[in-house]
Amino acid sequence: NAGVTQTPKFHILKIGQSMTLQCTQDMNHNYMYWYRQDPGMGLKLIYYSVGAGITDKGEVPNGYNVSRSTTEDFPLRLELAAPSQTSVYFCASSTRGQQNTGELFFGEGSRLTVL
Amino acid sequence: DQQVKQNSPSLSVQEGRISILNCDYTNSMFDYFLWYKKYPAEGPTFLISISSIKDKNEDGRFTVFLNKSAKHLSLHIVPSQPGDSAVYFCAASPTGKLVFGKGTKLTVNP
Repeated sequence: NAGVTQTPKFHILKIGQSMTLQCTQDMNHNYMYWYRQDPGMGLKLIYYSVGAGITDKGEVPNGYNVSRSTTEDFPLRLELAAPSQTSVYFCASSTRGQQNTGELFFGEGSRLTVL
Repeated sequence: DQQVKQNSPSLSVQEGRISILNCDYTNSMFDYFLWYKKYPAEGPTFLISISSIKDKNEDGRFTVFLNKSAKHLSLHIVPSQPGDSAVYFCAASPTGKLVFGKGTKLTVNP
């Protein structure tokens, strides 16, 4: 049982380039999330999705885009990368938000450096 | 404006003793509180949670206490073990979207 899988685990990007962080889960969870964690800080919500075809902004959405074409996949796209986007990105999933305990299942993270 | 605050960046305890990690929150609409544990180079993993209608929840060595009037919760680990050394995040949920604190790094010394 793989859970939440993120790729790549590490990546170095040049300023102005674009890239996509991939996330897939095999638990049939409706809710999926992207968080970023900066050094010494907590996790901040970038975008989330309550089901296929439905996405919404979190706390820090600027510079990012998401799509949710299937239940399993929730890719995060960085357009015109900036040094401020250097961070560790975590994808997570959960069962239906209103009924669950709030427990999220996290991937191992993707460490992105923008130079 | 931080809605979930963990004011101690680090905590060091001896093996076998109690570890107490603290968390304060400001939003009275939070109805569910969770603790996550994170090892280096791994994603956070769920540890224990508590609903706002309770004041205590226990799971083995881990107990979470909630004081709603003080908007404060704490995680007790008894007895502490070296394998408990990790960063612990407090999180709160109004509707399933979690708000995280900055974390407390716990070191349990053998």
